[in-house]
Amino acid sequence: DAGVIQSPRHEVTEMGQEVTLRCKLISGHNSLFWYRQTMMRGLELLIYFNNNVPIDDSGMPEDRFSAKMPNASFSTLKIQPSEPRDSAVYFCASSFGRASGYTFGSGTRLTVV
Amino acid sequence: SQQGEEDPQALSIQEGENATMNCSYKTSINNLQWYRQNSGRGLVHLILIRSNEREKHSGRLRVTLDTSKKSSSLLITASRAADTASYFCATEGTSGSRLTFGEGTQLTVNP
Repeated sequence: DAGVIQSPRHEVTEMGQEVTLRCKLISGHNSLFWYRQTMMRGLELLIYFNNNVPIDDSGMPEDRFSAKMPNASFSTLKIQPSEPRDSAVYFCASSFGRASGYTFGSGTRLTVV
Repeated sequence: SQQGEEDPQALSIQEGENATMNCSYKTSINNLQWYRQNSGRGLVHLILIRSNEREKHSGRLRVTLDTSKKSSSLLITASRAADTASYFCATEGTSGSRLTFGEGTQLTVNP
């Protein structure tokens, strides 16, 4: 298994542009988590899905952020319009559910200029 | 806000020494997990300890959990330069499978 795969690895975009981050889960995992990591705020949970259903999106900063999970193996996180303060490393992680460790992707480093 | 708080924020030791990192949390948990993050990489799951367990071992790692004090410790024995990384504790609450991560401890093992 190739693990959790995120794309792109790096994204540099101009303020106001739409950004789409992608994540492919490990086969058989039924929970998907999107985290954002910054020096100032550490690791923040943005949203998580269980069996393709969004369970908790209270961490999504604003309406500019949206996440979808169209099938059991794929998810997208979209920022529209992007702002410089969105610059961070975005991780997705998947798991079998409760009491199982997460498998993280390598992250997408987003820079909004 | 982060539930877990690691202590110390940074630790620098010599190869061969033991490294101990601590984590405190605030609410009831189902389990506590430790992760390692190398610079520029994703987090890697190290070990999970359930709320009814007090100690767990995995190779050179030893984790303890004291639910009465709401604290955990991660001990890395006979450290190696390759152990240099940030170490995070994460707690799973009693409802739901989401993890809340602490701020991390930056461990530097000098050769």
